[in-house]
Amino acid sequence: GAVVSQHPSWVICKSGTSVKIECRSLDFQATTMFWYRQFPKQSLMLMATSNEGSKATYEQGVEKDKFLINHASLTLSTLTVTSAHPEDSSFYICSASTHGNTEAFFGQGTRLTVV
Amino acid sequence: AQSVTQPDIHITVSEGASLELRCNYSYGATPYLFWYVQSPGQGLQLLLKYFSGDTLVQGIKGFEAEFKRSQSSFNLRKPSVHWSDAAEYFCAVGGNRDDKIIFGKGTRLHILP
Repeated sequence: GAVVSQHPSWVICKSGTSVKIECRSLDFQATTMFWYRQFPKQSLMLMATSNEGSKATYEQGVEKDKFLINHASLTLSTLTVTSAHPEDSSFYICSASTHGNTEAFFGQGTRLTVV
Repeated sequence: AQSVTQPDIHITVSEGASLELRCNYSYGATPYLFWYVQSPGQGLQLLLKYFSGDTLVQGIKGFEAEFKRSQSSFNLRKPSVHWSDAAEYFCAVGGNRDDKIIFGKGTRLHILP
């Protein structure tokens, strides 16, 4: 099956710094990538949808200036958490799909801890 | 707007017993339905999916799910659970137009020895 790689698996950063998370589709071209956030023992909340070469579409309540998403190629999307604060600590998961294929393939997630 | 309801937050069953996890959805068109499993600190693994055709879908690890349009349900079943099935299970719904997948809140499955 299709493989999506997310990097890093975990990261600890200081409050006020920015953190970049990468999501790569290894063996297929991902026209669409999704970014989710998961709080402990809760469900996945969709943050944004990004299509290659265009601006991301953010869900209501998600700060686009806080969570910068770039989808510059068909195999890579990045999520940058800017000026991170402890409340941004969470599990971030990306998924990728190909246009016309509704199934999305998930990365293994990134555990972000802001201290 | 699309939504998914998993009414059971926790379910506990004995090893070897049968399992049914409930899922109800709301979607304006023909839904695409999924069940995912997540172990602690891990990503998601697709168990099975329904796009069209036979309403009884077979998945991996011995799981199956039945799509019932009249009840807007897509319940997950397994005839005999194993201790390794203990995990969080998410039902999800999506559509063909924009491929966005929305998740339910999840059901945590506990297995008694």
